[in-house]
Formats: sequence, structure tokens, C-alpha cells
Amino acid sequence: DAGVIQSPRHEVTEMGQEVTLRCKPISGHNSLFWYRQTMMRGLELLIYFNNNVPIDDSGMPEDRFSAKMPNASFSTLKIQPSEPRDSAVYFCASSMTGGDQPQHFGDGTRLSIL
Amino acid sequence: AQRVTQPEKLLSVFKGAPVELKCNYSYSGSPELFWYVQYSRQRLQLLLRHISRESIKGFTADLNKGETSFHLKKPFAQEEDSAMYYCALSGQTGANSKLTFGKGITLSVRP
Repeated sequence: DAGVIQSPRHEVTEMGQEVTLRCKPISGHNSLFWYRQTMMRGLELLIYFNNNVPIDDSGMPEDRFSAKMPNASFSTLKIQPSEPRDSAVYFCASSMTGGDQPQHFGDGTRLSIL
Repeated sequence: AQRVTQPEKLLSVFKGAPVELKCNYSYSGSPELFWYVQYSRQRLQLLLRHISRESIKGFTADLNKGETSFHLKKPFAQEEDSAMYYCALSGQTGANSKLTFGKGITLSVRP
């Protein structure tokens, strides 16, 4: 298995533009998580899905952020419009359901908003 | 509510020195605790979890429910241990099964 696959690896865009980050979880995993990592705030959970259904989106910063999981093998995180303070590394992770199940992380998307 | 506290941001030691990375947690139920590691330019990966009670790369961590701690220890640090380390907590089932991470600590092992 190639593990969790994220794309793009790097994204540089101007503020105001729409940004879409993509994630393919490990086959058979039914939980998917989106995180944001910054120097100031560390690793923050934005949203997570179980069986394609959003369970907790309380970490989503504001309405400019949205996430979807149309099927078990694909999820997107969208920022519209983007702002410089959104610059961060965004990680996707997947796992089997259950708190004792380890999460497997993707390589992350390094996002820079100019 | 779930909370994980890693009180230090940086720990710098010489090769061969003992290492202890501190982690304290707050959770009303019975937690699952993990340590994740992120080496330079690599993805975050699981290092160990308390339920396994195993030693990985010489690291161990013991859950102390009385002190609500899960400190990560290694008796003799190696240069390749230099990385970012995150402590994480999870409730066991249902809506609590998300991971809450601490802010992480950078371990630097000098030659």
C-alpha cells in the first residue's frame, strides 16, 4: 500500500484565490482526518470523517474552509477565499475506526498564500 | 474535554545522554495515548502507544494515571533521534476517537 496520498505537495498562490487540497486514504480505512500544522499552534485537527460522514468539524477555522468526502477513497479540503494566515502545512491522515487505532499520515501539503 | 500538554518546545542533549520528553494529559475517561515522531522532511508516523507496552527504537513510555502523564524516555540518545515528537490522546470509541495532539517538542541530539 502506498499509504495516504496527498496532492499537491506544495502550493503557492495569491490571496483571494481558491485552494483545493486532496487526499486519498489507505484502502480499508474508514476514518479520515484533516490537520493543520504551524509553528505557533502546532498540529490542529480541522475536521474528521467516519464512513464518509463528517463527525466533528469544530476545528475548522471559519466559513472559508470546507471539506468533503464524496466516497471512501477521496477527500478534499477547500479554502475560498484564501488569506496569508492560512499558510501552513496541511496533513491528511486515515485509520480504522476506534481510539486505539493508530493514524497514518500523508506527506502533507505545504501551502503558501502570498 | 481532551487536552495534551507538552511543557517544553525544545530539548537539546548530547549523544549518549538520557532523554525524557514530558507529556501530561487531561481526560475524564480512560485514554489511549500515543507518541508520534516527525523526522526532518518526512511524514508524521506512529512511534509507540501505551496499549502495546513495547519499546521502539529504544524509546519507552509508561502511562501514569495518578500523575496523568505519559513521558517518553530513552536511556542513551542517538543523533538519528533528532526529530519533532508529538504526544497524542484519544478517547476509545465513537465521537471521542479523534486524536488530540500536544504542541510537540523538538529533540536535538548533538554529536
